[in-house]
Amino acid sequence: QSALTQPASVSGSPGQSITISCTGSSSDVGSYDLVSWYQQHPGKAPKLIIYEVYKRPSGVSNRFSGSKSGNTASLTISGLQADDETDYYCCAFGRTYWVFGGGTKLTVL
Amino acid sequence: QVQLVDSGGGVVQPGGSLRLSCAASGFTFTNYGMHWVRQAPGKGLEWVAFIRNGKSDKHYADSVKGRFTISRDNSKNTLDLQMNSLRAEDTAVYYCAKDNSGWAFDYWGQGTLVTVSS
Repeated sequence: QSALTQPASVSGSPGQSITISCTGSSSDVGSYDLVSWYQQHPGKAPKLIIYEVYKRPSGVSNRFSGSKSGNTASLTISGLQADDETDYYCCAFGRTYWVFGGGTKLTVL
Repeated sequence: QVQLVDSGGGVVQPGGSLRLSCAASGFTFTNYGMHWVRQAPGKGLEWVAFIRNGKSDKHYADSVKGRFTISRDNSKNTLDLQMNSLRAEDTAVYYCAKDNSGWAFDYWGQGTLVTVSS
């Protein structure tokens, strides 16, 4: 159950858009459309922001969007806001059950 | 509203045991699968275990297989994690999480810290 690969950090200016990639294999990201994304502020529990690749839970801003191509999933945050600055994790359900990415720290400049 | 309250964490010596619990409310517990997910200090998230709503189907991460046991009591709306043969690398905050029936974790407990140290 190797972790999915995410960039350690990304940055963007307020109002801009950023994309965080999540690369796995045909055994996880590429096996089903069951990729989810989580936002985690320091000292807090993670919050689900995207599930089944692109679906948003009720109450999650439409500034968050997800996509997938082959073995790589992506999270795009548009109209960056200061409160978006925190950690983001992808997760995929596959042949070895659930595997998370290593996490990406988003900095809003 | 959905609420998950984690408890049972503490300090334990290597080789020891600990039992975590999660009290669920605000949803029909029997209808959903439940997970344990952990996070070592300063590290990322790691899925630990899953139990389906019917209790018979359980899955574990390779790192805990044979040492940890997930269980649930649908009459009490509680989820447990029995952890045996604990190692230093099991030190983490442990979260219970509800499955949204789409293999994602839509609600999380506040977490409980387990420290394995002599």
